[in-house]
Amino acid sequence: EPEVTQTPSHQVTQMGQEVILRCVPISNHLYFYWYRQILGQKVEFLVSFYNNEISEKSEIFDDQFSVERPDGSNFTLKIRSTKLEDSAMYFCASSEVRGNQPQHFGDGTRLSIL
Amino acid sequence: AQSVTQLDSQVPVFEEAPVELRCNYSSSVSVYLFWYVQYPNQGLQLLLKYLSGSTLVKGINGFEAEFNKSQTSFHLRKPSVHISDTAEYFCAGGGIQGAQKLVFGQGTRLTINP
Repeated sequence: EPEVTQTPSHQVTQMGQEVILRCVPISNHLYFYWYRQILGQKVEFLVSFYNNEISEKSEIFDDQFSVERPDGSNFTLKIRSTKLEDSAMYFCASSEVRGNQPQHFGDGTRLSIL
Repeated sequence: AQSVTQLDSQVPVFEEAPVELRCNYSSSVSVYLFWYVQYPNQGLQLLLKYLSGSTLVKGINGFEAEFNKSQTSFHLRKPSVHISDTAEYFCAGGGIQGAQKLVFGQGTRLTINP
């Protein structure tokens, strides 16, 4: 069964540094999402992306965050200047364009900010 | 705005016993509901989904859920659990129409004791 793949599985970064999290969505999916889960808390929506533009973003997704689909297969989340509170598990998800299809999630990237 | 509430943060049960994980939702628009499972150190895997039609939904690994509009609930059940069902379970709503975000509950940690 096709999967959403995320790299790296664990990223350790110094506070203030830029980080890029990478995702390869399922090949025929055209909706893409990023979610995050701070340790011990619920999974929170960050941003959705379709047709090369952001469809919706949450309050969390401020100017320090950006997303990009640089080629036909990758979908990236960039945090420009990381803060301690950015430490979390980040999940990428994708879904088909045709109706009534659920989102499929990757295994996540654990981001640790030191 | 849609919200999802999971009433139990932890549920311990003995192996082969039945289990019910509770989920309540609120929404003023069409309701799409999901249960996802997160095994240790893994991503979110779709267990089952309710979009419309029959209120009893069957999923993978012997789980089922019942959509109850009058009680605004979508509880997850399994008649006999196994050690391998130990995981975090998330109820979520939304996420079908276009690039619509998923709203997650707080999660319920299911622990199966021998």
